[in-house]
Amino acid sequence: DVKVTQSSRYLVKRTGEKVFLECVQDMDHENMFWYRQDPGLGLRLIYFSYDVKMKEKGDIPEGYSVSREKKERFSLILESASTNQTSMYLCASSLGRGTWVTEAFFGQGTRLTVV
Amino acid sequence: SQQGEEDPQALSIQEGENATMNCSYKTSINNLQWYRQNSGRGLVHLILIRSNEREKHSGRLRVTLDTSKKSSSLLITASRAADTASYFCAPRGATNKLIFGTGTLLAVQP
Repeated sequence: DVKVTQSSRYLVKRTGEKVFLECVQDMDHENMFWYRQDPGLGLRLIYFSYDVKMKEKGDIPEGYSVSREKKERFSLILESASTNQTSMYLCASSLGRGTWVTEAFFGQGTRLTVV
Repeated sequence: SQQGEEDPQALSIQEGENATMNCSYKTSINNLQWYRQNSGRGLVHLILIRSNEREKHSGRLRVTLDTSKKSSSLLITASRAADTASYFCAPRGATNKLIFGTGTLLAVQP
């Protein structure tokens, strides 16, 4: 079975801290995604990556950056955490492109609270 | 935008009834995927239907796709309390983006 693992289930950080959220997948998927989910707003795409060292902005990239140095790992970085970044963060991965893109597999989510 | 829009936003039914939710989208697609999310968890893939397919079944799930109307529907037959969750559609087009709408919140009353 494909496994997508997020480093923390719950995280509490202080305003202004640099925060790293890690995501690792074990099935050699080329596509990886980071979302945040807030009540009433659904899942919003922050960044995605379709290959090592490649990244594209999603719908809400402001205040975030990402890193993909290895195929299996996709990190989301909050350069200076703010209270409005308190949210559930979800990571996903999938295989293929275009016509052959497959289903996505999700991690269990990280509930981040910034105080 | 590649985003799908689910309808209705919320649905409440009794156990044993069927639940139907719909998805509309605006761009051409290669496939359309449906996902379920139990409260506070990651999404789980349910079923994928390709653009050249019109209907697909998986257990109690039936998905239809009408590319001329740019719409899809998900039918859950004989609903159970455990089906209570949010359901999302994801149209997959030429880009690698995976974008979701706000979902349909299904409540199945025992």
